[in-house]
Amino acid sequence: DTAVSQTPKYLVTQMGNDKSIKCEQNLGHDTMYWYKQDSKKFLKIMFSYNNKELIINETVPNRFSPKSPDKAHLNLHINSLELGDSAVYFCASSRTRFHEQYFGPGTRLTVT
Amino acid sequence: AQKVTQAQTEISVVEKEDVTLDCVYETRDTTYYLFWYKQPPSGELVFLIRRNSFDEQNEISGRYSWNFQKSTSSFNFTITASQVVDSAVYFCALRDQQQGAQKLVFGQGTRLTINP
Repeated sequence: DTAVSQTPKYLVTQMGNDKSIKCEQNLGHDTMYWYKQDSKKFLKIMFSYNNKELIINETVPNRFSPKSPDKAHLNLHINSLELGDSAVYFCASSRTRFHEQYFGPGTRLTVT
Repeated sequence: AQKVTQAQTEISVVEKEDVTLDCVYETRDTTYYLFWYKQPPSGELVFLIRRNSFDEQNEISGRYSWNFQKSTSSFNFTITASQVVDSAVYFCALRDQQQGAQKLVFGQGTRLTINP
C-alpha cells in the first residue's frame, strides 16, 4: 500500500508547455507539502496545505499553482515551463502540521 | 535564522566501519524539532527519526544512533557496522515554525558511500 504517491514519476517536456503533477496520500493526514530538489540535491519547501487551506507559499514564481481538491490530494500545476524548472518535485504529508512528514517517490521533471 | 549545516559533503568508508554524520543547526525557537531523512539511490526520501528539543536522551535503533547536544546545537547520526545498503544521501532537517505554519529546513545533505 503506497502511502504518498505521485504521478507521473518522470516528466519530459519542452519549454513553454504547461504540465501538472498529482499527489495523493492514503494516510489520513491533514497537511500536505510540495518540495523542490535541485540538481545539487538541495531541498526547499514550495507550498503547504492544511485541510485544503494554503498555509505556506514560499517565494515561488506564480507560474506554479498548487491545488488541493480535498485533504488527500495536492496537485501542482506549472505554466510556461522554463529550463530552470528542471528538478525533482516531492510531495509530502504529515498527520498534522506538527508531525513528521512522509514523502512521495518524487517526480523528475526535465524541461528541454 | 533557521539553518541546518551538514559540513560533510561526502563520506566514503569500508563496510563494517562505524561512521558519524554531523549536523549543526541554528534556530530562534526555544522548542524545536529535528529530523533525519535518508535518500537512497532509488531517490525516495525515507523518514528516520524525529527529536524534540526538550528530550536530550540519545536514541538508538538497531545499528543507527543519534546524539543530540543542545549545548553545541548538534544532532549527529552514527551508523555502526556500516553496510553497503546504507549508501545514500542523508539529510538533517529542522522544523521552522513560522507563524504557525510548519516547514522543514534541510541541510545540504551528506552523501555516504559504503564500499564492500
